[in-house]
Amino acid sequence: DQQVKQNSPSLSVQEGRISILNCDYTNSMFDYFLWYKKYPAEGPTFLISISSIKDKNEDGRFTVFLNKSAKHLSLHIVPSQPGDSAVYFCAASDTGNQFYFGTGTSLTVIP
Amino acid sequence: SQTIHQWPATLVQPVGSPLSLECTVEGTSNPNLYWYRQAAGRGLQLLFYSVGIGQISSEVPQNLSASRPQDRQFILSSKKLLLSDSGFYLCAWSVFPWGQPFRDNEQFFGPGTRLTVL
Repeated sequence: DQQVKQNSPSLSVQEGRISILNCDYTNSMFDYFLWYKKYPAEGPTFLISISSIKDKNEDGRFTVFLNKSAKHLSLHIVPSQPGDSAVYFCAASDTGNQFYFGTGTSLTVIP
Repeated sequence: SQTIHQWPATLVQPVGSPLSLECTVEGTSNPNLYWYRQAAGRGLQLLFYSVGIGQISSEVPQNLSASRPQDRQFILSSKKLLLSDSGFYLCAWSVFPWGQPFRDNEQFFGPGTRLTVL
């Protein structure tokens, strides 16, 4: 049972434009959400997070939006750069001991 | 600073052979430890997590097992590998106990082990 879903397996965006990656979850007890970036043959690296008490968190070119009523979060990358090409995973937690990951979205930024 | 090590980086094993993957963490005490598997076309599947020495929680039934013989050592094992065990195995750690509310609550991943079962 996939509690965190990323319905778009891939996304292509022109360099300089906005990339929007989406994530949906089913468990209303989740109160902390994270985005990870992963290159091939490497472990994921933490990108940005948001708690359920917020609806937006921004860090440089990366912004995460949380819509609790819709159980939806999104990651915006503006402007997109070729180095952003990677697989992006969203994850959610309710206790802090367990994290539930989505299936990932492969982002390709075209120069 | 904290670091996490995994080895080997790549492994090719025949079906039915045993498996032992090791993960060690440096620079932190009493971390939460995790084993994930990323199979082709799938996300990160949590296999095991541990909140302390000898404490292992399994998330999915499978022919794998995990052990935590020391505070910062986490081992993934199998007595007989299956073809379906092929994948990219990742070890991760997080702060335990859970940090201040909504701060520092992230997992740090190791470099991973690429396992191919033939």
